[in-house]
Amino acid sequence: DAGVIQSPRHEVTEMGQEVTLRCKPISGHNSLFWYRQTMMRGLELLIYFNNNVPIDDSGMPEDRFSAKMPNASFSTLKIQPSEPRDSAVYFCASSFASGGETQYFGPGTRLLVL
Amino acid sequence: GESVGLHLPTLSVQEGDNSIINCAYSNSASDYFIWYKQESGKGPQFIIDIRSNMDKRQGQRVTVLLNKTVKHLSLQIAATQPGDSAVYFCAEKNNTGKLIFGQGTTLQVKP
Repeated sequence: DAGVIQSPRHEVTEMGQEVTLRCKPISGHNSLFWYRQTMMRGLELLIYFNNNVPIDDSGMPEDRFSAKMPNASFSTLKIQPSEPRDSAVYFCASSFASGGETQYFGPGTRLLVL
Repeated sequence: GESVGLHLPTLSVQEGDNSIINCAYSNSASDYFIWYKQESGKGPQFIIDIRSNMDKRQGQRVTVLLNKTVKHLSLQIAATQPGDSAVYFCAEKNNTGKLIFGQGTTLQVKP
């Protein structure tokens, strides 16, 4: 199994630009999670989906952030417009259990907003 | 509020020794706990998990202990190797089903 796949691995953009992060979960997993990791705040859950339906988006910082999961094998996290404080590593994780247990993480996307 | 915290930010051990990484949690209703290992530049990697109806669970060179009385979780690594050097996170599943992660402990293995 290829594991969770994320793209791009690195993204450098300027403030105000739109950023789209992509994730392909492990085949057969029915839950998908987006996390953000920073030195100051650690690993934070932004949003998670169960069977392609958003269940909890309370961690999404503000309206500039949006996430979609059009099908079981693809999800996007979009930031528009991006700001320097959005700079972080963004992880996607998936799990077989709808209870969010045993999540498998992707390699992450390192985002730098100048 | 709910929190999962680690007692020590950095743990340094000699290669071959056993390592113990500790974690405190605050939600007595949590019924699932998990440990992750994160190496530099990589995503967190699942190590071992435990449910609240268990006190101990063993894997390959790792053991997780759960003390619900004092809300304490620990990860024991036997015969620590240089490849074990990483940041270790504990996490608990809260009432809404989300994993709440601690801040992490850095394990440094000295050759």
